[in-house]
Amino acid sequence: AQRVTQPEKLLSVFKGAPVELKCNYSYSGSPELFWYVQYSRQRLQLLLRHISRESIKGFTADLNKGETSFHLKKPFAQEEDSAMYYCALRKTGANNLFFGTGTRLTVIP
Amino acid sequence: ETGVTQTPRHLVMGMTNKKSLKCEQHLGHNAMYWYKQSAKKPLELMFVYNFKEQTENNSVPSRFSPECPNSSHLFLHLHTLQPEDSALYLCASSQSNGELFFGEGSRLTVL
Repeated sequence: AQRVTQPEKLLSVFKGAPVELKCNYSYSGSPELFWYVQYSRQRLQLLLRHISRESIKGFTADLNKGETSFHLKKPFAQEEDSAMYYCALRKTGANNLFFGTGTRLTVIP
Repeated sequence: ETGVTQTPRHLVMGMTNKKSLKCEQHLGHNAMYWYKQSAKKPLELMFVYNFKEQTENNSVPSRFSPECPNSSHLFLHLHTLQPEDSALYLCASSQSNGELFFGEGSRLTVL
């Protein structure tokens, strides 16, 4: 069975500091990995997906199949990055996503 | 209105009531989903519809009954719920294998 683990429920960093939100997964096939973000009073929305291999709002994430990880990174955190971040996995051939429990990031001014 | 719209945004019901949650998408997507978001738990997939056909029922109790009359509308009919069913219910839509677009959710409280 598939599983997505986000070990940190809360993460606080100072503005301008690097940030890394951890995500590990277990799945026997070839998954597609995503990061979704929920800003205060907004709906859950896609931040990035591993197949796009692009940087969104300064965030990047690399799929490491050896370590089964998909950590989200940003070199210099901004106050507007404060939000709830969810890692998600899609199984091969499926439509739906399986989500982790989320990490609440707070960027301290 | 564009995007995914859910109504009502808030619902309080007794355990013997019958109510429904509604979801509408104006994105031309073919897949629609119900997720349950409870405190301290991951988003739990409940149901998936693809081209109006239910393709997944994630062992959801029968007191939750989905209905998908067309690709743009999805309902969740609620009957004899329990207090532990209180949660935020999120609807989403997507094209096959595409990005999921979420609604703002319907917050349900069962007394």
